[in-house]
Amino acid sequence: GENVEQHPSTLSVQEGDSAVIKCTYSDSASNYFPWYKQELGKRPQLIIDIRSNVGEKKDQRIAVTLNKTAKHFSLHITETQPEDSAVYFCAVSQGGSEKLVFGKGTKLTVNP
Amino acid sequence: GAVVSQHPSRVICKSGTSVKIECRSLDFQATTMFWYRQFPKQSLMLMATSNEGSKATYEQGVEKDKFLINHASLTLSTLTVTSAHPEDSSFYICSASGGAGGLEQYFGPGTRLTVT
Repeated sequence: GENVEQHPSTLSVQEGDSAVIKCTYSDSASNYFPWYKQELGKRPQLIIDIRSNVGEKKDQRIAVTLNKTAKHFSLHITETQPEDSAVYFCAVSQGGSEKLVFGKGTKLTVNP
Repeated sequence: GAVVSQHPSRVICKSGTSVKIECRSLDFQATTMFWYRQFPKQSLMLMATSNEGSKATYEQGVEKDKFLINHASLTLSTLTVTSAHPEDSSFYICSASGGAGGLEQYFGPGTRLTVT
């Protein structure tokens, strides 16, 4: 089955700095790569996603890049703010299905 | 758009009893709903996938007779934890997708189950 590795597990940055979280996957048939933000005790919220026919997608301070050949994708957050502090999960569609396999998560702390 | 509700948000039950959790898509028709389990400080683990009007597909290691899933309509799926035990205590979260090639999953707020 699909194997998703996410790094780092924790990340601490100063307000205004950039944060980068990386994920690798194993199934070359995967075609959908979302990122979720989860605050403590809350639901995961979809913040950005990318499909396999696109290399990069940006939405204001958030961007995702995908390298299909290397089977890795990254989340980039610029100009970080304390409210960006949360756990971020990458996910990968399992083959051509709707099922998602999640990474283990990255706890991001933005220090004011 | 894409709002998913889940009830109850928190439930405490005694060992041996059953608990039902409801997941509703409020503003779209969810052809597929998913049930996840999340332990503290861990990731989301898919338990099962349910499609309206058909039997749920369970992930390896998930007991279908213990975790009963019903997807009776395009806006409602239920998860019943039968004969609950303390080890079933966890955060259960549902998600819904609209199908038709739409792969986005939108999550409910989760249900914190505590079995005493």
